[in-house]
Amino acid sequence: GENVEQHPSTLSVQEGDSAVIKCTYSDSASNYFPWYKQELGKRPQLIIDIRSNVGEKKDQRIAVTLNKTAKHFSLHITETQPEDSAVYFCAASSVQTGANNLFFGTGTRLTVIP
Amino acid sequence: GAGVSQSPSNKVTEKGKDVELRCDPISGHTALYWYRQSLGQGLEFLIYFQGNSAPDKSGLPSDRFSAERTGGSVSTLTIQRTQQEDSAVYLCASSLTGTGKETQYFGPGTRLLVL
Repeated sequence: GENVEQHPSTLSVQEGDSAVIKCTYSDSASNYFPWYKQELGKRPQLIIDIRSNVGEKKDQRIAVTLNKTAKHFSLHITETQPEDSAVYFCAASSVQTGANNLFFGTGTRLTVIP
Repeated sequence: GAGVSQSPSNKVTEKGKDVELRCDPISGHTALYWYRQSLGQGLEFLIYFQGNSAPDKSGLPSDRFSAERTGGSVSTLTIQRTQQEDSAVYLCASSLTGTGKETQYFGPGTRLLVL
């Protein structure tokens, strides 16, 4: 099955700086890579996703890049703000077996220091 | 509209007891997923339902775990003879068709504590 690894586990940045979170996956058949943000005590919510037919996607201060050859994808947050503080999870969807569940990384706790 | 709801929000039980966790997906969503989130860990896939198809149970950690989905809507996750290692937040999610490339909407979770 799919194995998703995520680094770093914790990340602290000064407000206004950029934050980068990296993930690798094992199943070359995976073709959908969402990122979820989970604020303390709240449910995970999708913030951005990328499909395997593109290499980069941006949405305001958030961008995701995908390198299919290397099987890794990254989340980039620019001009970080305190409200960006949360746990971020990457995930990959492997449809090889017909299942459509997501395989999640272990999460990155991002702290933005005002 | 209403999002995914789960009940109870918190459950404390004694080791060896059975528990039932409920999930109400977004109306019209055919796919429903259960995940487990242990303290400081990622989301671990448990089981997946899509329409009337047989569920994908490949993530269930033991035969003490089971789930059903009645009428293609509400789902119940049952844990029999609970163990302390079952303590976690159990999250349910739903998506429109379950094609694997669509947003999964999560519920608030049920925090289970096994004493």
